[in-house]
Amino acid sequence: DGGITQSPKYLFRKEGQNVTLSCEQNLNHDAMYWYRQDPGQGLRLIYYSQIVNDFQKGDIAEGYSVSREKKESFPLTVTSAQKNPTAFYLCASRNGGYTEAFFGQGTRLTVV
Amino acid sequence: SQQGEEDPQALSIQEGENATMNCSYKTSINNLQWYRQNSGRGLVHLILIRSNEREKHSGRLRVTLDTSKKSSSLLITASRAADTASYFCATVTTSGTYKYIFGTGTRLKVLA
Repeated sequence: DGGITQSPKYLFRKEGQNVTLSCEQNLNHDAMYWYRQDPGQGLRLIYYSQIVNDFQKGDIAEGYSVSREKKESFPLTVTSAQKNPTAFYLCASRNGGYTEAFFGQGTRLTVV
Repeated sequence: SQQGEEDPQALSIQEGENATMNCSYKTSINNLQWYRQNSGRGLVHLILIRSNEREKHSGRLRVTLDTSKKSSSLLITASRAADTASYFCATVTTSGTYKYIFGTGTRLKVLA
C-alpha cells in the first residue's frame, strides 16, 4: 500500500540529546514537509523540501535540521538547541501541482 | 504569523444536526483545503476549493469560499458520532513557494 510512514510513534529523549524522526514515503512525491503540533493547536511548518537535495526553512526552523538525500526520505533531527521540543510531529508529502497533502500518523516526542 | 484562524474553537452538537465551522486567512491564495484529524492521528484531506470557485460539495460536506473577505466555511450535514474530530483549514498561497498554512482548528464533538 502506498503511503507515508513515520517512526517511531512515541519517542522519549533526555534533555541535551539530539534525536532523529524518520519519515518515508512510497508515493513517488517530490515535495515533503515537517510540521509541529502542540496540544490544542494548529500545525506550524518547520521545514519543507520541493525536490531532492533541496529544502527550505519554515516558520519555526530554529533548533531543527533536515536532509533530503533521497526522494522517499525526509528525516528531521531535533537538536539540543530546540528549547521546547515536546510536541507531536507530522510529516506530509505532495504530488506535483496545486494539490492536497498526504500525512503520516505522527511521532509524539517527549523530553524527560 | 501567517497562521489563519478558525471559529469556533470547539463545537458540540447532537447527532443528525449540521455543523458549521469557519476559517479566516491573511494572504492571497491559490486554493484552500480542509482536513480532518482524529485524536492523536495524522490529518486526512477532505476537500479542496480553488480561488476562482465559490462553493464545492463532497458527500455531506459543503465548502464555501469568499476571497474578498478572506474566509471559508465548512458545513457538515446530518452529522454522525464518527464525525467527532478536529477540523483544520489550510491555505496555499500564490507566492510560488508551495506550502500549506494551517488554521488553529475547530474541535467538533458529535453526541450520539
